[in-house]
Amino acid sequence: GAGVSQSPSNKVTEKGKDVELRCDPISGHTALYWYRQSLGQGLEFLIYFQGNSAPDKSGLPSDRFSAERTGGSVSTLTIQRTQQEDSAVYLCASSRTPLSLYEQYFGPGTRLTVT
Amino acid sequence: RKEVEQDPGPFNVPEGATVAFNCTYSNSASQSFFWYRQDCRKEPKLLMSVYSSGNEDGRFTAQLNRASQYISLLIRDSKLSDSATYLCVVTNADYKLSFGAGTTVTVRA
Repeated sequence: GAGVSQSPSNKVTEKGKDVELRCDPISGHTALYWYRQSLGQGLEFLIYFQGNSAPDKSGLPSDRFSAERTGGSVSTLTIQRTQQEDSAVYLCASSRTPLSLYEQYFGPGTRLTVT
Repeated sequence: RKEVEQDPGPFNVPEGATVAFNCTYSNSASQSFFWYRQDCRKEPKLLMSVYSSGNEDGRFTAQLNRASQYISLLIRDSKLSDSATYLCVVTNADYKLSFGAGTTVTVRA
């Protein structure tokens, strides 16, 4: 079956612009995760959805970051007034249920470059 | 202190060699443990879970030491295709995965 897909695969934007990143999880996966990976760094957890709810948004780096999920499926991560330090690969993952027992399947990521 | 720490390497080994590396975690209440593999500019993929009694998957052996709070990964008979960054992953009582920054392994012909 289809894996996790993300769009766009690459995004170059000017500092101060807003960007929207999209994630389509594997069908039937109830849990969805957003991570950020900067060059040479580990994955930084951003936010997690169980269904359409995000129990904890504390991983979001600032209030310029927001995310939503609709219909228990597609999720969008929005970054407002982008800054150069936002440049990173944004990875989305999904799992059948919330974590612990099931592996997370990652999408290919969106490489964001803020100029 | 980072929640999960790894030796970044790189570990450069010849084909056929055995390579092993560890990962330490800070939260003694951590519940589940995994090794993920990430190829250059690709997404992470689950390599194997790590069970309390230790487990093998082909040439890969994972061990967990709860008392010392570390997990290990051993790769036997290394192949060129094993060249990658290996990410140590730990989960706690909540839903979050904590990733280490990764250990890079390069297998040379």
